[in-house]
Amino acid sequence: AQKITQTQPGMFVQEKEAVTLDCTYDTSDPSYGLFWYKQPSSGEMIFLIYQGSYDQQNATEGRYSLNFQKARKSANLVISASQLGDSAMYFCAMRVLPGNQFYFGTGTSLTVIP
Amino acid sequence: EAQVTQNPRYLITVTGKKLTVTCSQNMNHEYMSWYRQDPGLGLRQIYYSMNVEVTDKGDVPEGYKVSRKEKRNFPLILESPSPNQTSLYFCASSSLAGGKNIQYFGAGTRLSVL
Repeated sequence: AQKITQTQPGMFVQEKEAVTLDCTYDTSDPSYGLFWYKQPSSGEMIFLIYQGSYDQQNATEGRYSLNFQKARKSANLVISASQLGDSAMYFCAMRVLPGNQFYFGTGTSLTVIP
Repeated sequence: EAQVTQNPRYLITVTGKKLTVTCSQNMNHEYMSWYRQDPGLGLRQIYYSMNVEVTDKGDVPEGYKVSRKEKRNFPLILESPSPNQTSLYFCASSSLAGGKNIQYFGAGTRLSVL
């Protein structure tokens, strides 16, 4: 069965510190993609970062990096130098092939403290 | 401007009254999808479409219908809405070229069924 698990319902981080949001996944398909999305209080879903199952290097996008540990089936999001605007809900998601069906985790609410 | 447009943004209806939520994208994306977001459950995929006239069930398709007659449009139909379909609904689209399938989301439709 395909599944995404986010075990941290809420997280707090001091401004300018780094924070790691956990995500584990479960799939038997060899080809899959992993995504992180941000949902601010305004409600829109914003794409942050992508990692393919065959990618050898961890993905990075500005202050965001994805710590991909394939053997552990984890895809943690690392946000460096947190800013107040990073306060939001963060969702981890997985897309499996060949069907291209998507699975989302339950989300982690991040609060950045000044 | 590249965008996914959902209408209406807010909808209050009564049990059993058929409704349609429209979704349109202007990016010529092959893949379109509908999700519902409920507190504590994250986003769950309702239906998705890989191209015109091709639709597949996601995790929670019961009580919903979709159609993909044109590439840009992917309406979500609730033939006989019930209170348990009260939720926040998102439409998303993505290009299948390159294999990543990074989805871009509409602003959401908040539906209340009384």
